[in-house]
Amino acid sequence: EVQLVESGGGLIQPGGSLRLSCAASGFTVSSNYMNWVRQVPGRGLEWVSVIYSDASTDYADSVKGRFTFSRDNSKNTLYLQMNNLRADDTALYYCALGGGGKRLDYWGQGTLVTVSS
Amino acid sequence: QSALTQPPSASGSPGQSVTISCTGTSSDVGGYKFVSWYQQHPGKAPKLMIYEVSNRPSGVPDRFSGSKSGNTASLTVSGLQAEDEADYYCSSYAGSNKLVFGTGTKVTVL
Repeated sequence: EVQLVESGGGLIQPGGSLRLSCAASGFTVSSNYMNWVRQVPGRGLEWVSVIYSDASTDYADSVKGRFTFSRDNSKNTLYLQMNNLRADDTALYYCALGGGGKRLDYWGQGTLVTVSS
Repeated sequence: QSALTQPPSASGSPGQSVTISCTGTSSDVGGYKFVSWYQQHPGKAPKLMIYEVSNRPSGVPDRFSGSKSGNTASLTVSGLQAEDEADYYCSSYAGSNKLVFGTGTKVTVL
C-alpha cells in the first residue's frame, strides 16, 4: 500500500529556513517522479516542485532559487529545503506520487508551514 | 503560470448532473492531453478522479467523466450523490516540467 507521510512543518519567521520531509512506503521514490503541492488553508492548490527518477528537478517560479527538492534513496524519503521564507509561503504542503500523464496518483496528508513574525 | 479558471461553485440535487469547466490557454489545457481532476473533502488530501482528460483511475465510479474542447476542460458528475459534495480542482501540464491547477469549484448537493 502506498503511503506518504509529511513532517517538518511549523512556525518560522520571515527570512528563515525549514526542511520538510516526506517518508514514502509501498513504492520506491527513486523509480518515480514526486511532487510538492501546497495549499493555503481555505484556498486552492499550487504546484511547487517536481523531482524525476534521474534526480532532475523543476520549480514553480514563485519558489525557484529559494526551495530545493531532494531525496535520500536509502531512506526512501524526500525533502523540501525552503530558504528565505516569506509570508506568502504559508500553506499546507503535500507530497504526491506522480503517475503517467502528469497525474498525481497518491497524496500525503500534508504538513503545515506558517511564516510569521 | 496563471491558475486555470473554474467557477467558484456548482450545485445539483441528488440524481442530477453537474458539469464543472476549467479554462486555460493554448500553453496548458489546449496544448496537452494531460488534464487531471481532483476531489477534496474538507480536511482531507486531494484524490485523483480523472487523468489524461477522460480516464478514470481504478475505483472511481463511472459517474465521473471528463472531456476537453480547445482551451477548456470539463468534469461531469452524473447521478449526484451526497458524498460527491466536495471541492474539485483541475490541473494541466503547462510545459517545461510544470503543472498548473485550477482555482477550484465547490460542489454542493442540494
